[in-house]
Amino acid sequence: EEQLVESGGGLAQPGGSLRLSCAASGFTVSDSYMSWVRQAPGKGLEWISIIHNNDNTYYADSVRGRFTISRDASKNTLYLQMNSLRTEDTAVYYCARERGGYGYFEDWGQGTLVTVSS
Amino acid sequence: EIVMTQSPATLAMSPGERATLSCRASQSVSYNLAWYQQKPGQAPRLVIYGASTRATGIPARFSGSGSGTEFTLTISSLQSEDFAIYYCQQYNVWPLRTFGQGTKVEIK
Repeated sequence: EEQLVESGGGLAQPGGSLRLSCAASGFTVSDSYMSWVRQAPGKGLEWISIIHNNDNTYYADSVRGRFTISRDASKNTLYLQMNSLRTEDTAVYYCARERGGYGYFEDWGQGTLVTVSS
Repeated sequence: EIVMTQSPATLAMSPGERATLSCRASQSVSYNLAWYQQKPGQAPRLVIYGASTRATGIPARFSGSGSGTEFTLTISSLQSEDFAIYYCQQYNVWPLRTFGQGTKVEIK
């Protein structure tokens, strides 16, 4: 059974950094299209980044230049390095998988909460 | 930039009723449209992909239709477990994935 488990959320100060992890089981992260999707409190879903199986990466305008998506094949884990954090980055962050790279998300983690506040 | 607009924002329905949710794209997304269901405190769950194909385990009362810029998710007879927020998402404008703002289906 495919499973995704996020960790690394918490409280950060504006301008600070955090690194989120998404540990996968039941499939190989490096063979998959993996994304990060976030949801601000009481708001909708916002796709923010994707890494393809060929290691190409893409970002939403809202995080480009501040966030970096990556993965470690040996740990079968996806990461999101978040720098220069802003209060508007406060959200639950989900990792999500596109099984065939078709563009829709079939597997989701449970989410990890990031709060950016002084 | 592609914008996905869902309507209505809230749909107040009674169990057993038919629910119709709409999603409009600011430019054509062909059939590359998915729907997700999200309940409080839970991750989203894929309901429909390819505009009209039900995901694994999704009951037949859920159906999707449309193409281009206009899409509909229909729940033929609402069950108690269907009250949730539904999001549409386009995946035609590569490599971006864009969600609508959601429609909340609540109990009347």
